[in-house]
Amino acid sequence: EAQVTQNPRYLITVTGKKLTVTCSQNMNHEYMSWYRQDPGLGLRQIYYSMNVEVTDKGDVPEGYKVSRKEKRNFPLILESPSPNQTSLYFCASSLRGARRNTEAFFGQGTRLTVV
Amino acid sequence: RKEVEQDPGPFNVPEGATVAFNCTYSNSASQSFFWYRQDCRKEPKLLMSVYSSGNEDGRFTAQLNRASQYISLLIRDSKLSDSATYLCVVRGVRNQGGKLIFGQGTELSVKP
Repeated sequence: EAQVTQNPRYLITVTGKKLTVTCSQNMNHEYMSWYRQDPGLGLRQIYYSMNVEVTDKGDVPEGYKVSRKEKRNFPLILESPSPNQTSLYFCASSLRGARRNTEAFFGQGTRLTVV
Repeated sequence: RKEVEQDPGPFNVPEGATVAFNCTYSNSASQSFFWYRQDCRKEPKLLMSVYSSGNEDGRFTAQLNRASQYISLLIRDSKLSDSATYLCVVRGVRNQGGKLIFGQGTELSVKP
């Protein structure tokens, strides 16, 4: 089954404690990205990757890191989480980003609370 | 100005009603347009792509007006199961890495 898998689904952590949210896709997609969703602001892109070892900032990259060592995995790293990073996070993948009408598949989301 | 703008609603309609959502986008060079559906904080899922000539999928019709830079979604004969948030999505141009740019979403609630 084609899917994007995020872990964990729910996480409560304390300020400053490093954490990683994993994302894995089994569709051999080149393009992967991370979004956060906040009430009234919609989905905003944090980072994206066009292929292995190619990553770039999205609209709200501050406080986040990513890596793309393998095509299937795109982890999101919060080195020192702060309460303003409390949000719902989605990982997404698709065929190479610039193609027209290419469907993006989303993971089930990670609800992160930083206290 | 937001790159993709939608009326957040909520739209409260009775079963069987026809409801229309509009969305505007700011970058005239945008090439790809979509409607995604999101149920209660779950992951967004593609509802339909939007083509220049307009397209229909069952009770759903999508239209694109490039001159006015707006996209519409029409839902006929609303069902209770149509209750969700509908996200207007535009794919960024090449120098934006082809990213998806989301509108805030329009909340639809269909009542018995």
